[in-house]
Amino acid sequence: QVQLVESGGGVVQPGRSLRLSCVASESTFRNYAMFWFRQAPGKGLEWVAQIAHDGNSENRADSVKGRFTISRDNSKNTLYLQMNSLRPEDTAVYYCARCFYMAGVGRWFDPWGQGTPVTVSS
Amino acid sequence: DIQMTQSPSSLSASVGDRVTITCRASQSITNFLNWYQQKPGEAPNLLIYGAYNLQSGAPSRFSGSGSGTDFTLTINSLQPEDSATYSCQQSYTTPYTFGQGTKLEIK
Repeated sequence: QVQLVESGGGVVQPGRSLRLSCVASESTFRNYAMFWFRQAPGKGLEWVAQIAHDGNSENRADSVKGRFTISRDNSKNTLYLQMNSLRPEDTAVYYCARCFYMAGVGRWFDPWGQGTPVTVSS
Repeated sequence: DIQMTQSPSSLSASVGDRVTITCRASQSITNFLNWYQQKPGEAPNLLIYGAYNLQSGAPSRFSGSGSGTDFTLTINSLQPEDSATYSCQQSYTTPYTFGQGTKLEIK
């Protein structure tokens, strides 16, 4: 069973940057689209960004477009989220997740990493 | 964006009870609906995908139903370890939105 481990979170001032990483335990990582989600304190889950298995296409939520960049290095089994111009409303636990897809069934996400907390505060 | 509305927002039930949580989408999402369980301080754990498919490893007391806009997660014979927050998610179109969650307490 693949495991995902996030890192890179922390406390940062508004306007600064952070880069999150998500390392997969298996090389099958390269076969799957990967997603970032986040969960603000006491709130529901929110989709942040996604990237295709080969890195050739990606998509981001409107709330992070122009500020966050998703990327991956399949040779290192690693997913990244570069977060620039951070705002207090970006404060959340950030999760990476593997995406499965089947026609007629849709997309589902399993497993999820344990999450890395990001706090944006002056 | 597709809005996902869960009800109730919280409930309390006893061991052995049958519990039902509903999720309504603001437009049809066919059967592109997933259910997750999340315990405090932990990551979400997939229970049901595609509205009614039980994820490998998830207990068989969990089941899902529905299509279009109305969906249901049912837990039969509630166990103490089922105390958690349950969230639905649509994967019909981006942004892949979630319900606000239903907090289940075991009496």
